[in-house]
Amino acid sequence: DAGVTQSPTHLIKTRGQQVTLRCSPKSGHDTVSWYQQALGQGPQFIFQYYEEEERQRGNFPDRFSGHQFPNYSSELNVNALLLGDSALYLCASSLRGQGKGPQETQYFGPGTRLLVL
Amino acid sequence: GDSVTQMEGPVTLSEEAFLTINCTYTATGYPSLFWYVQYPGEGLQLLLKATKADDKGSNKGFEATYRKETTSFHLEKGSVQVSDSAVYFCALMRSGAGSYQLTFGKGTKLSVIP
Repeated sequence: DAGVTQSPTHLIKTRGQQVTLRCSPKSGHDTVSWYQQALGQGPQFIFQYYEEEERQRGNFPDRFSGHQFPNYSSELNVNALLLGDSALYLCASSLRGQGKGPQETQYFGPGTRLLVL
Repeated sequence: GDSVTQMEGPVTLSEEAFLTINCTYTATGYPSLFWYVQYPGEGLQLLLKATKADDKGSNKGFEATYRKETTSFHLEKGSVQVSDSAVYFCALMRSGAGSYQLTFGKGTKLSVIP
């Protein structure tokens, strides 16, 4: 049973560029959440996708956008990169369809480490 | 808003020592509580969880009890091993319509020396 996978593992960009990160959820899961983890900090929630729509969003600017595909995989796009966007980007998947509401457990991928120069 | 406060690290223990990592939270309603562990260079792994007051989550010798009266979810292990060296994150997921995001503490780095 494949877990959550993310690509690429590492990425180096320069200020002003755009980046796309990809996530495939755990088999059987239908919901994908994205988190940003700055060095030495806890992860911060960016947004969550379910049924191909953004359902919740954290305190991140519109430069951060996403997409979910019919196979439940997801992309995170960041435009006009800033030095402060350097971080580990984590994808987490869960099964919202369980009907257990907010008790559902999120499973994390290994992350994509983005460095903005 | 929701918040999670963890004890400051790093924490350094000798092998077989007792571990406690304190975690307290602020949230409306009755959140679910989680401990995640992050090994060097890796993503987060769920360690244990509790979904209601007085529940005890346990896994791999680690335990944490959901204490609503003190809004706490302290992580404990009776005898740590070198392989437990990692960063530990306490997190909550608030109950309520559409609230499916995790709020994390800043993490506590644990180093276990032989």
